[in-house]
Amino acid sequence: GAVVSQHPSRVICKSGTSVKIECRSLDFQATTMFWYRQFPKQSLMLMATSNEGSKATYEQGVEKDKFLINHASLTLSTLTVTSAHPEDSSFYICSGQAPTSTDTQYFGPGTRLTVL
Amino acid sequence: QKEVEQDPGPLSVPEGAIVSLNCTYSNSAFQYFMWYRQYSRKGPELLMYTYSSGNKEDGRFTAQVDKSSKYISLFIRDSQPSDSATYLCAMSANQGGKLIFGQGTELSVKP
Repeated sequence: GAVVSQHPSRVICKSGTSVKIECRSLDFQATTMFWYRQFPKQSLMLMATSNEGSKATYEQGVEKDKFLINHASLTLSTLTVTSAHPEDSSFYICSGQAPTSTDTQYFGPGTRLTVL
Repeated sequence: QKEVEQDPGPLSVPEGAIVSLNCTYSNSAFQYFMWYRQYSRKGPELLMYTYSSGNKEDGRFTAQVDKSSKYISLFIRDSQPSDSATYLCAMSANQGGKLIFGQGTELSVKP
């Protein structure tokens, strides 16, 4: 159980365009979803925390107008990278918090974004 | 100083070896400790979850927490080539709270 999917798995776009990444919890309802960014050979860095039906909470240094997060339902959260630039190229990973006794986070497979 | 320190490796061992992976942390507020395994170009997969000092065993994996020394370990017995991955420690101050990850240790188990 506790499966999270992401779509697309890989996207290449031109500089200046916007890209939307979907994160779905397939077999549980996630009241809280998290978005992380991971650069090569580096660890996961939390970008924002989103709760269903409310505005996301962004970590310090993350531009909320650039990384738009929508958590419209208990099974779907989206991250839109607006006006993407090459420095936004990274591996974006979401997680859903399962309503278990430990409130564990279960991670999606990630989305590789390459901005040309 | 990073809140969580983890040797990035890479660590290469022969099949069947016992592997020891470690993390140290500086924030005494951390109470919940996790180990994740991440295969290349995939999301992290939860391996172990602990919240008390001592050992927790699950199959070939043993997680060890020493809160007094701010030190956690993951031991892998009888390592297999399929264990080759990056292992990330993570911790949080509150159950279900923000996770702080270590850098990850890249492990290679040679047949």
